[in-house]
Amino acid sequence: AQTVTQSQPEMSVQEAETVTLSCTYDTSESNYYLFWYKQPPSRQMILVIRQEAYKQQNATENRFSVNFQKAAKSFSLKISDSQLGDTAMYFCAFMKFNSGGYQKVTFGIGTKLQVIP
Amino acid sequence: DTGVSQNPRHKITKRGQNVTFRCDPISEHNRLYWYRQTLGQGPEFLTYFQNEAQLEKSRLLSDRFSAERPKGSFSTLEIQRTEQGDSAMYLCASSANGAFFGQGTRLTVV
Repeated sequence: AQTVTQSQPEMSVQEAETVTLSCTYDTSESNYYLFWYKQPPSRQMILVIRQEAYKQQNATENRFSVNFQKAAKSFSLKISDSQLGDTAMYFCAFMKFNSGGYQKVTFGIGTKLQVIP
Repeated sequence: DTGVSQNPRHKITKRGQNVTFRCDPISEHNRLYWYRQTLGQGPEFLTYFQNEAQLEKSRLLSDRFSAERPKGSFSTLEIQRTEQGDSAMYLCASSANGAFFGQGTRLTVV
């Protein structure tokens, strides 16, 4: 079974600064996706960024980027120029493929990020 | 709005009553998931559909829970004889190459 570990229950960052959230995962699969989701107080789960395991290049979406280390099974999220609206729970997630194309998403327990004005 | 839609957004019910939630996925997505999230936890997988076929059920899904996706479009999740421990946010997601979530249905069993 796949596991996703987020070892930072809570983090804080000053507005406009940069913060990095950590995630490690355990799998024997070679073909998979990794994601970061944001869940603000409204509880809507919002897909922030996606990384395909076969791609060596780290994904980037505006102020959000990842550091994907496949051999180390590490997938950290960097938020640059933090904004107050970034305050939320952040979940790291893993999605695998099987022979039937079946995809199941497994989530970590989340990191609560507080952006301080 | 072409995102995932869930109804109702909130449901308060008395213990022992039955409740049903609906999820309308993104139209071109053939994969649909139900997750449950309790406060302070990440979403926990409940069940998964590919088109109308229910391919996997978590052991979290007791026999009081049933999910359907009759025509491979919308899905329903029914909980019979609700218990206080069923209180949670129930999330639906549909997937292409990433799961896109609805806003959830918050269930409170009193």
